[in-house]
Amino acid sequence: AQKITQTQPGMFVQEKEAVTLDCTYDTSDQSYGLFWYKQPSSGEMIFLIYQGSYDEQNATEGRYSLNFQKARKSANLVISASQLGDSAMYFCAMRERVGDSNYQLIWGAGTKLIIKP
Amino acid sequence: DTGVSQNPRHKITKRGQNVTFRCDPISEHNRLYWYRQTLGQGPEFLTYFQNEAQLEKSRLLSDRFSAERPKGSFSTLEIQRTEQGDSAMYLCASSLQGGRSLFGPGTRLTVL
Repeated sequence: AQKITQTQPGMFVQEKEAVTLDCTYDTSDQSYGLFWYKQPSSGEMIFLIYQGSYDEQNATEGRYSLNFQKARKSANLVISASQLGDSAMYFCAMRERVGDSNYQLIWGAGTKLIIKP
Repeated sequence: DTGVSQNPRHKITKRGQNVTFRCDPISEHNRLYWYRQTLGQGPEFLTYFQNEAQLEKSRLLSDRFSAERPKGSFSTLEIQRTEQGDSAMYLCASSLQGGRSLFGPGTRLTVL
């Protein structure tokens, strides 16, 4: 069963506009973590932002913020004031406990974001 | 420490050959992960180490794949008798226990 769903395979956004990338997840654990990573065409996976399941405040990191709605099991990434350099693949991932102390990252299929000048 | 490094960055090989990739994690990170990513897909978990112990191995990892982390520092991933279906980006990541994973630049494998 799909545990991380990113429903937008691709998005075009005008430069300087805000953009929201959707992510929904499925888990029965009470303790989990949600991540967003950016992967430019060079291939490197770049950590953007993290939200713990017990965090009451939405995470923010510069122009990135995570709209965490626990009851809906959604963790959307919001990029404010988009820039041309934001064009990349964006992956949502969930850290889930496997066994007593082991964790695994489960990944979505990604959203390709293209910023138009 | 400048981050996670991987070598080589690119590898082209002929079907049936063996290949080995290396990952040097961030020095204080005790966890090291290998992922495989094919074009247009998210990463797929392959295996991970805590220090030198290999704690988990995905069912995706056939007998042709083996990974080691002999001294709890760098790790190697070997693929024996490569097949065209092995062509992918192989990503390495490291973390502290419970911490965020930081990724290396990846090794892109092309099997002809």
